[in-house]
Amino acid sequence: DTGVSQNPRHKITKRGQNVTFRCDPISEHNRLYWYRQTLGQGPEFLTYFQNEAQLEKSRLLSDRFSAERPKGSFSTLEIQRTEQGDSAMYLCASSLLAQGPDTQYFGPGTRLTVL
Amino acid sequence: AQTVTQSQPEMSVQEAETVTLSCTYDTSESNYYLFWYKQPPSRQMILVIRQEAYKQQNATENRFSVNFQKAAKSFSLKISDSQLGDTAMYFCAFMKLGAGSYQLTFGKGTKLSVIP
Repeated sequence: DTGVSQNPRHKITKRGQNVTFRCDPISEHNRLYWYRQTLGQGPEFLTYFQNEAQLEKSRLLSDRFSAERPKGSFSTLEIQRTEQGDSAMYLCASSLLAQGPDTQYFGPGTRLTVL
Repeated sequence: AQTVTQSQPEMSVQEAETVTLSCTYDTSESNYYLFWYKQPPSRQMILVIRQEAYKQQNATENRFSVNFQKAAKSFSLKISDSQLGDTAMYFCAFMKLGAGSYQLTFGKGTKLSVIP
């Protein structure tokens, strides 16, 4: 399977701890997106990368959140000092710019529970 | 800013019947794409169908078709010959074109249950 993969699939943590999620996009996809989905809502955009450059961040992405895509391949999303309000599904998606306004392919998500 | 509204939180349909899911959106943009994504229980989101706003012809993909009314800012999804595997959350999404991230703006979703 060469789809978007995310790890871990589930993460339970205590309030105040740091967590890191990983996303591996479809090979050769140069755009990578992070979204957050809370219960009963549609996904909300957090940030996106074109290759290794982080080009846009939502105001939802507080300073406790940081994302990287060091070599233009996989990406990590770190949340520092987690709060209960961070509990959500974190979705990663990738797309290929060469295909123009692009179809985003989603991973299975990482479900975060902050106790 | 764009908003997407799905006014039907839940719907059900008998197997083999036809169902239509509603979506309206608000934007001042003239150049955009619209999407329907499907999220089956505990599975990842997959694209069902997409529509380019500059195209007047409604998109179709096998049993799935859309009714795109640009002036009314309406984008409904019709599922024909419903199958049990169509049971899922369905999200309508908007993408502004031009310079930028091509981020998606989603509605809250419609939970569709197909009844045997």
